[in-house]
Amino acid sequence: DAGVTQSPTHLIKTRGQQVTLRCSPKSGHDTVSWYQQALGQGPQFIFQYYEEEERQRGNFPDRFSGHQFPNYSSELNVNALLLGDSALYLCASSLRGPMNTEAFFGQGTRLTVV
Amino acid sequence: AQSVTQLGSHVSVSEGALVLLRCNYSSSVPPYLFWYVQYPNQGLQLLLKYTSAATLVKGINGFEAEFKKSETSFHLTKPSAHMSDAAEYFCAVNDSGNTGKLIFGQGTTLQVKP
Repeated sequence: DAGVTQSPTHLIKTRGQQVTLRCSPKSGHDTVSWYQQALGQGPQFIFQYYEEEERQRGNFPDRFSGHQFPNYSSELNVNALLLGDSALYLCASSLRGPMNTEAFFGQGTRLTVV
Repeated sequence: AQSVTQLGSHVSVSEGALVLLRCNYSSSVPPYLFWYVQYPNQGLQLLLKYTSAATLVKGINGFEAEFKKSETSFHLTKPSAHMSDAAEYFCAVNDSGNTGKLIFGQGTTLQVKP
């Protein structure tokens, strides 16, 4: 089992550009959540996808958007990049069900905006 | 709304000493609580989770945590620290009504001195 895989691992972009990050969930999982982890901070919830729809969203602007595909993989898109978007972006997958279901995290994508 | 507070952003212990990382939560409903560990440049790995079955929860790598409702706490302990335990530790609560959406604390950096 490959677990949760994210690509790319590192990315450098210029302010104003757009970026797409990708995530493949753990086998058998149907729900994908995205988190932003700024340096020295805990992860902050961006949004969650289930059945190809955004189900819940955190306090992030519309510049952050996503998509989930029929195979449950997901993309995170960020438009008009700002310096403050520099962070580790984590994807977590889980199986829709009881509240105690644990989330499995990928290694993350380190985004640097210059 | 749920929230998590981790007391102490940095904890330093000697190898072989007791590890105690503090976590307090705020929740209007019975919480589901998790401890995750993050090694440098890696994603999050689940250490243990509280699911209301037992107040003392044992996890991987010799860690355990005790849920105390009266104190709204879920502190993480390990009897004897090992050098390999040096990492960032995050306490998280599952947002009510939404499987997989986690609210994280700010994290505690554990330093283990030889």
